[in-house]
Amino acid sequence: GAGVSQTPSNKVTEKGKYVELRCDPISGHTALYWYRQSLGQGPEFLIYFQGTGAADDSGLPNDRFFAVRPEGSVSTLKIQRTERGDSAVYLCASSSQGGGIADTQYFGPGTRLTVL
Amino acid sequence: GEDVEQSLFLSVREGDSSVINCTYTDSSSTYLYWYKQEPGAGLQLLTYIFSNMDMKQDQRLTVLLNKKDKHLSLRIADTQTGDSAIYFCAQGGSASKIIFGSGTRLSIRP
Repeated sequence: GAGVSQTPSNKVTEKGKYVELRCDPISGHTALYWYRQSLGQGPEFLIYFQGTGAADDSGLPNDRFFAVRPEGSVSTLKIQRTERGDSAVYLCASSSQGGGIADTQYFGPGTRLTVL
Repeated sequence: GEDVEQSLFLSVREGDSSVINCTYTDSSSTYLYWYKQEPGAGLQLLTYIFSNMDMKQDQRLTVLLNKKDKHLSLRIADTQTGDSAIYFCAQGGSASKIIFGSGTRLSIRP
């Protein structure tokens, strides 16, 4: 079946604008994760959903970042008043269960966000 | 806090073994991972090891875990040009989120 998909693959925006990044997880996966990867760094955890609810949003850097998963499948990461420091690759991953066991997270190709 | 450290670069000759090292800080980690990232491709889980294990072997890959020193290593036997990539060490626990290192870029010399 299809893997995790993310759209758009690239997004260029101006400082101060609002952006939405979309993630389509593997069908049937209940757990969904967002990470951010800056140049030369490893992915940094942002938020984790189990079903429709955010089980852990401790990685969101500030209140400009928000994510939803209203039907427990597709998720949207929303960034308000973008800043140049938000430029990074935003990765989405999904897993069949989530939580406390060696449950493989499958990563999408990412959305490269550039804030000018 | 949680932190994962690894060297940034490694260069090996084709056919030799590659050893990528990593240290981590969270002693409560339940499992530790090695991910591979190739240009233009997503992160791929290579292997993982439970924290109560010392070693895991999977074909050309050998993972060694020294829990006392919080040291993890990945050995790739008979390194090939297709092994060129960035390798991330990562730790995970009951919270599900994965903490990644900064990655080690492996390059292969002919």
